[in-house]
Amino acid sequence: SQTIHQWPATLVQPVGSPLSLECTVEGTSNPNLYWYRQAAGRGLQLLFYSVGIGQISSEVPQNLSASRPQDRQFILSSKKLLLSDSGFYLCAWKGQGGKLFFGSGTQLSVL
Amino acid sequence: GESVGLHLPTLSVQEGDNSIINCAYSNSASDYFIWYKQESGKGPQFIIDIRSNMDKRQGQRVTVLLNKTVKHLSLQIAATQPGDSAVYFCAERRANDMRFGAGTRLTVKP
Repeated sequence: SQTIHQWPATLVQPVGSPLSLECTVEGTSNPNLYWYRQAAGRGLQLLFYSVGIGQISSEVPQNLSASRPQDRQFILSSKKLLLSDSGFYLCAWKGQGGKLFFGSGTQLSVL
Repeated sequence: GESVGLHLPTLSVQEGDNSIINCAYSNSASDYFIWYKQESGKGPQFIIDIRSNMDKRQGQRVTVLLNKTVKHLSLQIAATQPGDSAVYFCAERRANDMRFGAGTRLTVKP
C-alpha cells in the first residue's frame, strides 16, 4: 500500500534562517506530488506541484521553492524565512482517480 | 479564486443530530469532487467522493449530494458524533490538482 511521510512535524525557525521540509512517498512510482500551505483557521493554498523528477510548477510567487531530486521525494525550501511563511505545510500525492492523499503536515513557526 | 484567506464558517450541532455542510464550486466543467475531514494538527483525510454523472452517493453515515445546476455540493453526516468534530473541505478536480473550498468547522456538542 502507498504511504506518505512528511517531516518534521513541528519546526520553529528564526526569521532569515533557511528551511528544508522533506516529503517521501512509498508504494507508488512517478506520482504527482504537491505542497500546500494552510494558515491558522484558513483553507488550503497550493504552492507547488510536480509531475516528475526535476519538474516543478509554482502556483503563487513567494519566498519558497521546491525541488524533486528523486521520483518519490519532494522538498520545500527557503533561503531566508519571513514571518509570513509561518503556517501548516502539507505534502500530498495524487492517487488513482485523482484523489489527493495528504501527509501529516509540518507546523512551521517563524519567530 | 481559492478562499484561502477567509475565516472558516462554523457549524455547531447536538450529538445525535444530522449535520449538513455545504460547498459551492466554481467550474461548471468539473467532473469529480471530494470531501475531506481535517482534525486539528493533522492532514486532511478522504471521506467520500462523487463524479459529475451522479447526484448522490452514500457511505457509512455520510451522503454527498451534487447539484450541477447551481454548482453546489453538500455533505450530510447522520447521527453526528463527537469524533466528527473537525474541519470539512470540499474539493473539485482541476487539470493538475484539486481546488479546495474554504472549509467548515463542525463542532459537536454533547
